[in-house]
Amino acid sequence: QSALTQPPSASGSPGQSVTISCTGTSSDVGRYNYVSWYQQHPGKAPKLMIYEVSKRPSGVPDRFSGSKSGNTASLTVSGLQAEDEADYYCNSYAGSNNLVFGGGTKLTVL
Amino acid sequence: EVQLVESGGVVVQPGGSLRLSCAASGFNFVDYTMHWVRQVPGKGLEWVSLINRDGGTTNYADSVKGRFTISRDNSKNSLYLQMNSLRTEDTALYYCTKERWGSKFLIESWGRGTLVTVSS
Repeated sequence: QSALTQPPSASGSPGQSVTISCTGTSSDVGRYNYVSWYQQHPGKAPKLMIYEVSKRPSGVPDRFSGSKSGNTASLTVSGLQAEDEADYYCNSYAGSNNLVFGGGTKLTVL
Repeated sequence: EVQLVESGGVVVQPGGSLRLSCAASGFNFVDYTMHWVRQVPGKGLEWVSLINRDGGTTNYADSVKGRFTISRDNSKNSLYLQMNSLRTEDTALYYCTKERWGSKFLIESWGRGTLVTVSS
């Protein structure tokens, strides 16, 4: 049950796009399409942004998109806005009723 | 509206025990697998445990296996986490979470958390 690997930080200017990676193994990200992404603002509970690799819950802007290649999943935020500044966490099913989170990425809007 | 309200977080000494509770409302509790997730203040999220709808299937992160026990009372719409042999590294905000309907292993809704501090 090792944590998924995310870069500690990412940044972009308003209007730009930024991509956050999430690297796992062939036992979690690479095996299952149960990868999700959460946004967390300071002092708040996490919010689901992407599930099953690339699906968006209702109410999440289409500026947020997800993808996966091999053992690495990615979250792309297009048209960055100030309110996108937050921590982002990936999550994957890891088999045998186990879940694993990434270490988190702090997204800064410059 | 889904509501998950955690309680029971306090300051406890290493080696001590604690039971967290989560009161659920706004949805049919018996229909959902539930999870506990924790977060050390200022740090990342860590999945802790899950329990299926009837309580017949449970699982735990390696870091808490053998020390924590998850349970539920569907008649009371409540989720619990019994925490024994507590360690300083168990200090965290503990979130009660609910899966999304129709999606396996997908945490959708979160409570506000209850803070557990393990310290002498």
